[in-house]
Amino acid sequence: DGGITQSPKYLFRKEGQNVTLSCEQNLNHDAMYWYRQDPGQGLRLIYYSQIVNDFQKGDIAEGYSVSREKKESFPLTVTSAQKNPTAFYLCASEDRSNTGELFFGEGSRLTVL
Amino acid sequence: KQEVTQIPAALSVPEGENLVLNCSFTDSAIYNLQWFRQDPGKGLTSLLLIQSSQREQTSGRLNASLDKSSGRSTLYIAASQPGDSATYLCAPGDYGQNFVFGPGTRLSVLP
Repeated sequence: DGGITQSPKYLFRKEGQNVTLSCEQNLNHDAMYWYRQDPGQGLRLIYYSQIVNDFQKGDIAEGYSVSREKKESFPLTVTSAQKNPTAFYLCASEDRSNTGELFFGEGSRLTVL
Repeated sequence: KQEVTQIPAALSVPEGENLVLNCSFTDSAIYNLQWFRQDPGKGLTSLLLIQSSQREQTSGRLNASLDKSSGRSTLYIAASQPGDSATYLCAPGDYGQNFVFGPGTRLSVLP
């Protein structure tokens, strides 16, 4: 059945390491998003992509990078330049051809040791 | 810049009560507004989406209303159940497909 798959669910990283979070969707949506969620705060936009081979910075893009080589995939790399990477990361896609409804994956929790 | 607030921040009610969650936003030029549910450690599940031209949407025991001119939306939950316990978030979307999320209302329904 259709949906968004994020992996891994849990990830531990040592300081100075880059890590990549995977996001795959089979909903045939053009638009995809990465959000960060911290305790007691709303979701904050990291990057978004409206179409293959195009992506835009969100409100908190520093220390992160993305690629969009395929419609189905939008991986997020958390680089060593991100000062406080421990957080819950959520990937979403948007049904722009219809209602504009957002659909989310189950999230990836990153902990820096 | 759009700002979203949700009141109350937390709510605890006995099972069976009807309840209302409030969402306020500062910029009324929205394309739609979506209500989500989030369980601890999980992603967001879409509950209801209201287009800017609509006044309300219903799904089962849930009813969401939208008053664009006043910058308000409410989520009404009828006959609450312990399984409704979760955090509820609202997110207005603008015509540039920018979504701003509220901080959420944490709901506990006691058996």
